[in-house]
Amino acid sequence: QQQVKQSPQSLIVQKGGIPIINCAYENTAFDYFPWYQQFPGKGPALLIAIRPDVSEKKEGRFTISFNKSAKQFSLHIMDSQPGDSATYFCAASSHQTGANNLFFGTGTRLTVIP
Amino acid sequence: EADIYQTPRYLVIGTGKKITLECSQTMGHDKMYWYQQDPGMELHLIHYSYGVNSTEKGDLSSESTVSRIRTEHFPLTLESARPSHTSQYLCASSEYRQGVYNEQFFGPGTRLTVL
Repeated sequence: QQQVKQSPQSLIVQKGGIPIINCAYENTAFDYFPWYQQFPGKGPALLIAIRPDVSEKKEGRFTISFNKSAKQFSLHIMDSQPGDSATYFCAASSHQTGANNLFFGTGTRLTVIP
Repeated sequence: EADIYQTPRYLVIGTGKKITLECSQTMGHDKMYWYQQDPGMELHLIHYSYGVNSTEKGDLSSESTVSRIRTEHFPLTLESARPSHTSQYLCASSEYRQGVYNEQFFGPGTRLTVL
């Protein structure tokens, strides 16, 4: 059972475009939503994260939008660059379980064309 | 760059062989994890540990086993490798404080191919 559903599976944009990656969840106990970025041959690395008490968080060109009532969150990349080409994973975690383990989405492979 | 290391980076091995994938971290993190990453990119948690002498099974059933004898070391062992074990294996670590979420730091992964 997929705890976090992510779409699209792949995305191609022109340089300067604004790719948007969407995630949805069902478990209302989730209270932490990070995004990880993975380059080929590397492990994922934390990009940005949000908690459900805010609706938006921005770090540089990366923005998370969070809709608690819809149980959805999305990643926007402003002014995308070829160097942003990577695989992006959304994830969710709940402190209520005690384990604080992450449940990952299926990933989105982003290609930014120069 | 995270201080978490995995060896080997690539391994091609025949069916029935015993293998151990190594993972070490120098950040003093209590919690460590093993994920299996499918060719289609999805990450599945197969094992985790809260600290020395602690091991737990993750969400995805796995025939592998783990041990945690030292804080910095979390090896994964397959007693008898099969082609179905072909995958990428990612190790990660984080601090662990109950009620607080801490960033997971990932190693570069071991790509295992079982012929």
